[in-house]
Amino acid sequence: DAMVIQNPRYQVTQFGKPVTLSCSQTLNHNVMYWYQQKSSQAPKLLFHYYDKDFNNEADTPDNFQSRRPNTSFCFLDIRSPGLGDAAMYLCATSRDLGGRYFFGPGTRLTVL
Amino acid sequence: DQQVKQNSPSLSVQEGRISILNCDYTNSMFDYFLWYKKYPAEGPTFLISISSIKDKNEDGRFTVFLNKSAKHLSLHIVPSQPGDSAVYFCAASVLRSSSNTGKLIFGQGTTLQVKP
Repeated sequence: DAMVIQNPRYQVTQFGKPVTLSCSQTLNHNVMYWYQQKSSQAPKLLFHYYDKDFNNEADTPDNFQSRRPNTSFCFLDIRSPGLGDAAMYLCATSRDLGGRYFFGPGTRLTVL
Repeated sequence: DQQVKQNSPSLSVQEGRISILNCDYTNSMFDYFLWYKKYPAEGPTFLISISSIKDKNEDGRFTVFLNKSAKHLSLHIVPSQPGDSAVYFCAASVLRSSSNTGKLIFGQGTTLQVKP
C-alpha cells in the first residue's frame, strides 16, 4: 500500500545533541510537510518542500533544518535540541499544494 | 494568533447518539476545510472536507456543515460508534490565491469518546 513512513517512531536525545528524523513516501507526491505537535496543541507547520523548493515558515526556529534529497525522502534535522523541542513530529504529503494531506504516524521526540 | 480554534477539548457521547464537533476560524480567506481523525500512535487520517462554495457535505455517517457568515463549521457523526473514539482535528486552507501555499492550518483537536 502506498503510504507515508516515519522513522524512528520514538527518538530520545540529549539536550544539545543533534538529531535527524526521517520521512519517506511511496505516493510520489510533490509536496512534503513537517509539522510539530505539542501536547493538546494544534499541529504547527515548520516548513514544506514543493519538489526541491524549500519553504520555511516565518516563525520556525533556525535550530530546525530540512533536506529533501529526492522525491521519496525528507529529513528533519534539529541541530541543538532543547527541552522545548520535545514533541510529536508529523510528516505529511500532498499531490500538489493544498487539498488533502496524507500523514505518517509521527515520531515522538524526547529530550533529556 | 490562532486562526482555527476548537474550543471543546473533549466530548463524550453515548453509542447510537449524535456527536457534534465544532470549529471556528478567523481568516475569511479560508476556502477549503477538512476534518482529520487521529487514533493514538497513528498519524491523522482524512475524514471529510468541504469547499466554501458549499454549506454541507455528507459521507455516510459523517456530515460537515459550513456557516461562512459565522466562520464556523461542525462535524456531525450519526449514529456514533465506539470505534469513532479518537481525536478530531479541524483544518483550513486558502486554495484560490496566487500566493497560496496550500498549507493546512489546524485546530487543537477535540477528543471524542463514544461510550457503549
